[in-house]
Amino acid sequence: GNSVTQMEGPVTLSEEAFLTINCTYTATGYPSLFWYVQYPGEGLQLLLKATKADDKGSNKGFEATYRKETTSFHLEKGSVQVSDSAVYFCALRAVGTGGGADGLTFGKGTHLIIQP
Amino acid sequence: GAVVSQHPSRVICKSGTSVKIECRSLDFQATTMFWYRQFPKKSLMLMATSNEGSKATYEQGVEKDKFLINHASLTLSTLTVTSAHPEDSSFYICSANRDFSYNEQFFGPGTRLTVL
Repeated sequence: GNSVTQMEGPVTLSEEAFLTINCTYTATGYPSLFWYVQYPGEGLQLLLKATKADDKGSNKGFEATYRKETTSFHLEKGSVQVSDSAVYFCALRAVGTGGGADGLTFGKGTHLIIQP
Repeated sequence: GAVVSQHPSRVICKSGTSVKIECRSLDFQATTMFWYRQFPKKSLMLMATSNEGSKATYEQGVEKDKFLINHASLTLSTLTVTSAHPEDSSFYICSANRDFSYNEQFFGPGTRLTVL
């Protein structure tokens, strides 16, 4: 079956530090990959996505590259801010046999804490 | 934007009663919606795929008679937890795909269910 493994937190960094949150996946075929962010008291929001190998998703200074050879989709940001404190989820959407919409498979989430 | 709402945001009920949770896409049509369950410090687990005008598709291990899903219109799906027990206490989250755009799911803010 499909699965997503990501580093578990909490991850605590100082402001302006470099961030990496590792994510690896197992899936048949060629899944689409996502990073979602959940701010305190809010619902999940799409942060970035990549739909094929070597694609790079980017948004708000965050980046992740779809690496098929290592089945990874690590999230990076060069300089984090206090406002980046949230829970980050890596997820995949496997390609369904009938096309159309399929549910997501999520990692356990990484709680990121940025200290001023 | 694409907004998904859930109602109620929190509900407390007695063991043995049934609880209905609504998920609405406010500004777009969604033929397909998804229901997830989030356990503390764990990932979101897909429970079922809700299809407008047809039966829901349940993931393995999810009791369809306990978690009744109805997708009555292109903007509304409901999840009814029947004969709730304390082990059903959890955070339930819905999401919706905008029709013809399957690579982004929009998430509701979640419903916290506590069964006493």
